[in-house]
Amino acid sequence: QKEVEQNSGPLSVPEGAIASLNCTYSDRGSQSFFWYRQYSGKSPELIMSIYSNGDKEDGRFTAQLNKASQYVSLLIRDSQPSDSATYLCAVWDSGGSNYKLTFGKGTLLTMNP
Amino acid sequence: EADIYQTPRYLVIGTGKKITLECSQTMGHDKMYWYQQDPGMELHLIHYSYGVNSTEKGDLSSESTVSRIRTEHFPLTLESARPSHTSQYLCASSGIQAYGYTFGSGTRLTVV
Repeated sequence: QKEVEQNSGPLSVPEGAIASLNCTYSDRGSQSFFWYRQYSGKSPELIMSIYSNGDKEDGRFTAQLNKASQYVSLLIRDSQPSDSATYLCAVWDSGGSNYKLTFGKGTLLTMNP
Repeated sequence: EADIYQTPRYLVIGTGKKITLECSQTMGHDKMYWYQQDPGMELHLIHYSYGVNSTEKGDLSSESTVSRIRTEHFPLTLESARPSHTSQYLCASSGIQAYGYTFGSGTRLTVV
């Protein structure tokens, strides 16, 4: 059973600080990794994707991937109240006939005013 | 604009009724998925399809059924709704692996 593990939180960070969200995965052959943001009562929305080792930056968001350690992270700089949400890590299954994402259970991020 | 649509957005229905949750996408995606999610809980895959006339059950056992007669349409049906079916149902689609999933807005189902 392929697994994606996340700390469920809640992770509380001060406004303006850097939020760091972590994720590990079990499928060593995985090639595509995603971070989704889900507000309470809403559907998940894609905020970052990453495929190569290293960092990928998009505005205040940076995704980091280390395939050797099977580790993906998301950094949110200058955290704002609108960043309060659950963040889902997702990994695309590497099996030849599998075409779906395995999701983690999500990390709830909240802001300290 | 390419998108994925779910109707109804909210549904309150009595026990024993038959219901169909609609999901349509205009992106030409071949892969479509249904997830069930309770408030504050994780996503559970209940059905998926890799193309027309292809449907599979997901990781979570569900009494619902699905069909895929057209590429753009992936409806979910409950023959006899029960209070235990109360949940949010999310539809998603995918084309190229590199782009992940696009989710619909969801249907919040309440069975009374």
